[in-house]
Amino acid sequence: KAGVTQTPRYLIKTRGQQVTLSCSPISGHRSVSWYQQTPGQGLQFLFEYFSETQRNKGNFPGRFSGRQFSNSRSEMNVSTLELGDSALYLCASSRAATYEQYFGPGTRLTVT
Amino acid sequence: TQLLEQSPQFLSIQEGENLTVYCNSSSVFSSLQWYRQEPGEGPVLLVTVVTGGEVKKLKRLTFQFGDARKDSSLHITAAQPGDTGLYLCAAGSGNTGKLIFGQGTTLQVKP
Repeated sequence: KAGVTQTPRYLIKTRGQQVTLSCSPISGHRSVSWYQQTPGQGLQFLFEYFSETQRNKGNFPGRFSGRQFSNSRSEMNVSTLELGDSALYLCASSRAATYEQYFGPGTRLTVT
Repeated sequence: TQLLEQSPQFLSIQEGENLTVYCNSSSVFSSLQWYRQEPGEGPVLLVTVVTGGEVKKLKRLTFQFGDARKDSSLHITAAQPGDTGLYLCAAGSGNTGKLIFGQGTTLQVKP
């Protein structure tokens, strides 16, 4: 069974731009969560989607948004990029409301 | 706010040594997960512990969930260079898929 895939793997953007990251969950998994990982803050929860509905949201500004499609694929968008948004963005999927989440390889975003 | 505190933050040992990583909280959790992450990759799920006092073994790794379900430990016997990585404990929050992570323990095993 294929794992969680994320595209692109690496991205360089300029301050003020916006970016869209994509995540394809493991087949059969309906829950997709997004996390931001930085050296200073570690792994922080962004939001979770289940059956196309945002079920939970972390403590991030409104510039961070996401959505889930009917095939469970998910995208997250960051608008008006700031230098501090440079991070590894991780997507994880799980079958339902379980805490056993399976992570993708992440998208490394660098904002210059 | 639920917090998971991991210790130590960094560990550098020689091949063949034993080590223990701790994950503590003041909150009770229904389950706790351990992940390992290598540079440039996403965390990989190692184990989930659910029952207080539970002990699970994965080859040379032994995971324990505290009786009160507030803490957990990961013990590695005869560490090998392939064990090098970032070890993260995580626990669920609420009835959704939100995971709270500890800050992680960076383990370096020297040959």
